[in-house]
Amino acid sequence: AQKITQTQPGMFVQEKEAVTLDCTYDTSDPSYGLFWYKQPSSGEMIFLIYQGSYDQQNATEGRYSLNFQKARKSANLVISASQLGDSAMYFCAMREGHSDYKLSFGAGTTVTVRA
Amino acid sequence: NAGVTQTPKFRILKIGQSMTLQCTQDMNHNYMYWYRQDPGMGLKLIYYSVGAGITDKGEVPNGYNVSRSTTEDFPLRLELAAPSQTSVYFCASSYDSKSYGYTFGSGTRLTVV
Repeated sequence: AQKITQTQPGMFVQEKEAVTLDCTYDTSDPSYGLFWYKQPSSGEMIFLIYQGSYDQQNATEGRYSLNFQKARKSANLVISASQLGDSAMYFCAMREGHSDYKLSFGAGTTVTVRA
Repeated sequence: NAGVTQTPKFRILKIGQSMTLQCTQDMNHNYMYWYRQDPGMGLKLIYYSVGAGITDKGEVPNGYNVSRSTTEDFPLRLELAAPSQTSVYFCASSYDSKSYGYTFGSGTRLTVV
C-alpha cells in the first residue's frame, strides 16, 4: 500500500498567489514525521518543512506552512506569495519511528509559477 | 562542511558493465540510504544501513549491492548494468530520529545504453 499519496501531478500558479499541494499518508505508527522537499530543475533535494505527529501547531517556515490534519491523515503544503523561483517538483515524505527511520516519498507535484 | 558527497555526477554505462557509485558523509551519521529516482517519479529506496557493518534491502534492491565498512562510506555497486537501471541515484544520511530529515548528496545521473 502507498504510504504517501500526492494526487496532483502538476499545477500552475500565478506569481504572488498562494498554492496548496496535497499530501495524504498512511501509517499505523503513532510516532512519525512528515517532510516536504523541493527539487528544482538542477536536481538537488532541498528540505523545506517538518511536522511531527505529536506537534500541536502547524509548522511554518517563512513562506511555507504545513496544514496538518491528523484525523484525515493529511499534510498539505501551502506556499504563499509564489515566486518564479518556486517552480520545481515538490515531494511529501514520511518517516516512521519503527522503520529504521526510512523516508517514504510520494510521487511528487510539479509546480510552475507564471509571471 | 562537505555534507554528503557523491561521485561521479554523470556516467554512461554499456549494458553488462559494472560500476560503483561512491558516497561519503562527514557528519558522523549512523544512518545512510541509497535511492533511485526515475524520470518524473518519486524516490525509491534501494538499500540502507543503520551503522558500519549493517546493511538491509529497500524496495528495489535487485541488481545492486552495498557495503558499509566505515561510518563515512556507503558505496553502491551495480553489477551487469541494464537499461532499466537508467536513473538518478541519491545517497543520503541522517541521525536516527524521526524528527530529522535526510542530508542528500547531489545525485548521480546514470544512463545505461
